[in-house]
Amino acid sequence: QVLLHQEGAGLLKPSETLSLTCTVARGSLNGYYWSWIRQAPGKGLEWIGEASYTGSTNYNPSLKSRVSMSLDTSNNHFSLRLSSVTAADAAVYFCARMTYYDIVTGTHRRDFDSWGQGTLVAVSS
Amino acid sequence: EIVLTQSPGTLSFSPGDRATLSCRASQRVSSNFLAWYQQKPGQAPRLLIYGASYRATGIPDRFSGSGSGTDFTLTISRLEPEDVAVYFCQQYGGSPRYTFGQGTKVE
Repeated sequence: QVLLHQEGAGLLKPSETLSLTCTVARGSLNGYYWSWIRQAPGKGLEWIGEASYTGSTNYNPSLKSRVSMSLDTSNNHFSLRLSSVTAADAAVYFCARMTYYDIVTGTHRRDFDSWGQGTLVAVSS
Repeated sequence: EIVLTQSPGTLSFSPGDRATLSCRASQRVSSNFLAWYQQKPGQAPRLLIYGASYRATGIPDRFSGSGSGTDFTLTISRLEPEDVAVYFCQQYGGSPRYTFGQGTKVE
């Protein structure tokens, strides 16, 4: 079973850039889309964006101007950068694998079947 | 944006009860692209149901999903103490591509 392990700084000052990495173990980046999702304290889940094994990216329009994602297939990890953070960006950040085709049913799907452990990011001056 | 509204907000149960959780979409969602997750305190979400009705790998058969169009349901039969968690629905489509419901807390 694939494992996702997150790393990155958990305490930032306003205006700094959040940088997180998610390393994939027991699996490959190829053939999947890789997303970042965040959850503010006591709140629901917000999709930040995704990067595919083909190199394409899609971002949440609400964050698009500040987000950048990339894949490093040689090291089997993918990354998130979020610039100009404010207190509103404080949350637990999760990386996740998105599966887009189900071999069992032969149908398309779009859901997150593996998740990282989460990284708590605080923003404070 | 496709907004998912979950109800009830909180559900209290006794072991052995049956729980029915609702997820209503503001626009039609393809059944292929509706999923349910379970999140326990301090943990990442876990995929329970994908394609509206297919159980993910390793999920007990007391969890089932149904629905189409704008109305979807997660049913937990024979609730067990380990099912205490928050349950989220998620859809793909529109902009942003993925949205989640606000969650139903089962306690």
